[in-house]
Amino acid sequence: AQSVTQLDSQVPVFEEAPVELRCNYSSSVSVYLFWYVQYPNQGLQLLLKYLSGSTLVKGINGFEAEFNKSQTSFHLRKPSVHISDTAEYFCAVSDRRNTDKLIFGTGTRLQVFP
Amino acid sequence: SQTIHQWPATLVQPVGSPLSLECTVEGTSNPNLYWYRQAAGRGLQLLFYSVGIGQISSEVPQNLSASRPQDRQFILSSKKLLLSDSGFYLCAWNQDGQLDTQYFGPGTRLTVL
Repeated sequence: AQSVTQLDSQVPVFEEAPVELRCNYSSSVSVYLFWYVQYPNQGLQLLLKYLSGSTLVKGINGFEAEFNKSQTSFHLRKPSVHISDTAEYFCAVSDRRNTDKLIFGTGTRLQVFP
Repeated sequence: SQTIHQWPATLVQPVGSPLSLECTVEGTSNPNLYWYRQAAGRGLQLLFYSVGIGQISSEVPQNLSASRPQDRQFILSSKKLLLSDSGFYLCAWNQDGQLDTQYFGPGTRLTVL
């Protein structure tokens, strides 16, 4: 079984500052990794995903994430955030052999201040 | 292009009342369909998923049930709501051959009083 840990429930940051949202996972098998973003009262939108290949993955809205197998991490980063990046961010994992199910972390609320 | 709809957008129901939330997908056929619940501070919990008409898998035992009467329709129901059923309910779909990504609907905010 897989599990996902997002240690930071909230991350406050000023506009134009860099940000990193942490995600660690646990799995006995190979996995796919995802970051989703949820704006207030909306569904989830895929930011980026790691399936294979380069461990640095670039997504929408200037976000990127790096897969680190030895540290079982998939941290999300952005070099300069905007007010519009204020949202809830979810890390998720799925088993490569059975991709029907996504296991989500508890989410990190990114609050960007002017 | 594919779109996913959920209704109602918001719902306030008394304890003990029934529930029916609907999710429909357009622009695709034979999708996998999912119901998630998002409770405050608890992330997303997978409740049910379906790989075809009439095929429902339950992830968490509870007083909720799901049905798939048509290929692109997924319904979440309850006969008697509990206070703990309050939350944000999200429907999602993906496609065989593209199982790595799920696409989410706009959600239904349910408040049980």
